Amino acid sequence: DGGITQSPKYLFRKEGQNVTLSCEQNLNHDAMYWYRQDPGQGLRLIYYSQIVNDFQKGDIAEGYSVSREKKESFPLTVTSAQKNPTAFYLCASSPGLAGGPGGELFFGEGSRLTVL
Amino acid sequence: GESVGLHLPTLSVQEGDNSIINCAYSNSASDYFIWYKQESGKGPQFIIDIRSNMDKRQGQRVTVLLNKTVKHLSLQIAATQPGDSAVYFCAENRGTGRRALTFGSGTRLQVQP
Repeated sequence: DGGITQSPKYLFRKEGQNVTLSCEQNLNHDAMYWYRQDPGQGLRLIYYSQIVNDFQKGDIAEGYSVSREKKESFPLTVTSAQKNPTAFYLCASSPGLAGGPGGELFFGEGSRLTVL
Repeated sequence: GESVGLHLPTLSVQEGDNSIINCAYSNSASDYFIWYKQESGKGPQFIIDIRSNMDKRQGQRVTVLLNKTVKHLSLQIAATQPGDSAVYFCAENRGTGRRALTFGSGTRLQVQP
C-alpha cells in the first residue's frame, strides 16, 4: 500500500542526546514536510523540502536538522540544542507544492518523542 | 502576528445534528484553505479544500464556506456521527509563496449519542 511511514512511533531520549526520526514515503511525491504538535495545539512547521537535495526552514527550525538525499526519505534530527523537544512529530508529503490546489498534505501516523 | 485561529476550542453536538466549526484568518493574501481531521494519536486527514476564488465547496456530508470580506472560514458537517468526533484544523497557505501550510490551533468536536 502507498503511504507515509514514520518510525519509531514512540521514542525516549535523555537530555543532551540527538535523536533522528525517520520518514519514508512511497507515493512518489516531490515535497515533504515536518511539523511539530504540542498538546492541545496546532501543527507548527519545522522544515520542508520541495525537491531532492533542497530544503527550507519553517517557523521553528532552531534545534532541528534535516536531509533530503533521496526522494522517498526525509529524516529529522532533533538535536541537543532544541530546548523543549518533547512533542508529537508529524511528517507529510504532497504531490504538488503544498499551499495550492493539488498540494494537499498526506500525513504519517506521527512519532512521539519524550525527553527524560 | 498574523495567524490562523479558531473561535471555539471544543464543540459538543448531538448525534444526527449538523455541526459548524469556525476558523478566522488574518492574512488577506491567503488564497488556499484546507480542513483536516485528526483522531487521537494519529496524523491529520484531509477533509476538503477551497480556493479563494470560491465561496462554497461541498463534499460528502461536508461543506466549506469562505467569507473573504470578514476573513472567515467554516466547516459544516451534516448529520454528525460518532465517528466524526475528532480535532478539526483549518490551514492556510498565507499566499507568501512559501509552499507550505500554516495550521490553526484546532477545535475538538464531541458527538453525544
